[in-house]
Amino acid sequence: KNEVEQSPQNLTAQEGEFITINCSYSVGISALHWLQQHPGGGIVSLFMLSSGKKKHGRLIATINIQEKHSSLHITASHPRDSAVYICAVMDSNYQLIWGAGTKLIIKP
Amino acid sequence: DVKVTQSSRYLVKRTGEKVFLECVQDMDHENMFWYRQDPGLGLRLIYFSYDVKMKEKGDIPEGYSVSREKKERFSLILESASTNQTSMYLCASSLTTALNYGYTFGSGTRLTVV
Repeated sequence: KNEVEQSPQNLTAQEGEFITINCSYSVGISALHWLQQHPGGGIVSLFMLSSGKKKHGRLIATINIQEKHSSLHITASHPRDSAVYICAVMDSNYQLIWGAGTKLIIKP
Repeated sequence: DVKVTQSSRYLVKRTGEKVFLECVQDMDHENMFWYRQDPGLGLRLIYFSYDVKMKEKGDIPEGYSVSREKKERFSLILESASTNQTSMYLCASSLTTALNYGYTFGSGTRLTVV
């Protein structure tokens, strides 16, 4: 049961490119999280959103509740953005459902 | 700065050994969680705890147990380690289960069972 699907699974791009990672979900949610996991394991929360759009530096996250879809964008990508990006949704029972992650590699 | 500390980054254990993974948070958070992360599967919840001495099974509790004797410490126990428990283990904590509260994660423990 893949209630949270991310695409693509893997993404390789050149430095400077505009990056988009997608997340679709099939359950009713109260919030959606985007997280970043660098090599070595540590996970950092990037965004938590329930509507609209949030921006932090070069990162932008959007969500369309009607379409059950969220996107994470990275502008002017840099090799240090290389990481696994994970989408997770909090369902109506306050349980987190995790996507499998998107592995992003930015080449200099 | 809020912090969740996992005692080991890398661990190698033999099949059949009893393994303890320790997690400590310094934020006075009520809730603590243990996940395992495997390629292509995302994070899967093993156990969680909403309070001291309280524990609830997650999605994949088989082969694991937990202990929460103090609010700041949540231990994951592999009673008899098996090779299919080789994985990355992540501990997390959160203030409450209320909506829109984020989770803070530890750095993870990569466990290899040989």
